[in-house]
Amino acid sequence: EVQLVESGGGLVQPGGSLRLSCVASGFTFSNNVMSWVRQAPGKGLEWVSGISDSGASTYYTDSVKGRFTTSRDNSQNTLYLQMNSLRAEDTAVYYCAKQIGYCFGGGCYFDYWGQGTLVTVSS
Amino acid sequence: DIQMTQSPSTLSASIGDRVTITCRASQSISSWLAWYQQKPGKAPKLLIYKASSLESGVPSRFSGSGSGTEFSLTISSLQPDDFATYYCQHLRTFGQGTKVEIK
Repeated sequence: EVQLVESGGGLVQPGGSLRLSCVASGFTFSNNVMSWVRQAPGKGLEWVSGISDSGASTYYTDSVKGRFTTSRDNSQNTLYLQMNSLRAEDTAVYYCAKQIGYCFGGGCYFDYWGQGTLVTVSS
Repeated sequence: DIQMTQSPSTLSASIGDRVTITCRASQSISSWLAWYQQKPGKAPKLLIYKASSLESGVPSRFSGSGSGTEFSLTISSLQPDDFATYYCQHLRTFGQGTKVEIK
């Protein structure tokens, strides 16, 4: 059974940092592209970042470029999202998602999602 | 980026109704479209990929169609478990969502 379990969310002040983790099981993590998708309270889904299976390539939505860093440890089946210089508009539930295909060219979709972890940026 | 526009934003329907949600792309996207169902407080669940392929385990009352710029998700006979919000997705872009409510 595929499982994705996020952790690391919480309350942080504007300008602060958080690191989210997503532990994967039930599939060959090192063979799969992964993404982070977020959802602000009462709003729709927003793709945030993606990372290739090897970790050599990373991709970001414009609003987080230079502030967020996605990485992975294939030996630990873990995906990370390092979030720096956090803003109020980053407040959201953050989901990690297993991805099929490449979202840059061709096509892609997300076949498994974690339960999400809430990040609240507020003073 | 290609824009994805769903309609309607909210849909009121009764048990047993046939329901159709539309997703339009701002330019042709071939068949690279997925549909997700999300219930309050839960993660999205993949229903349809490549416009019309049913994800394993998803009830057959769900179907997807379309290509190019216009796509639809149809629920042939609405069940109590289907009241949720539905999103279309192409590459890095999601539609704004369609909430299916009880009439």
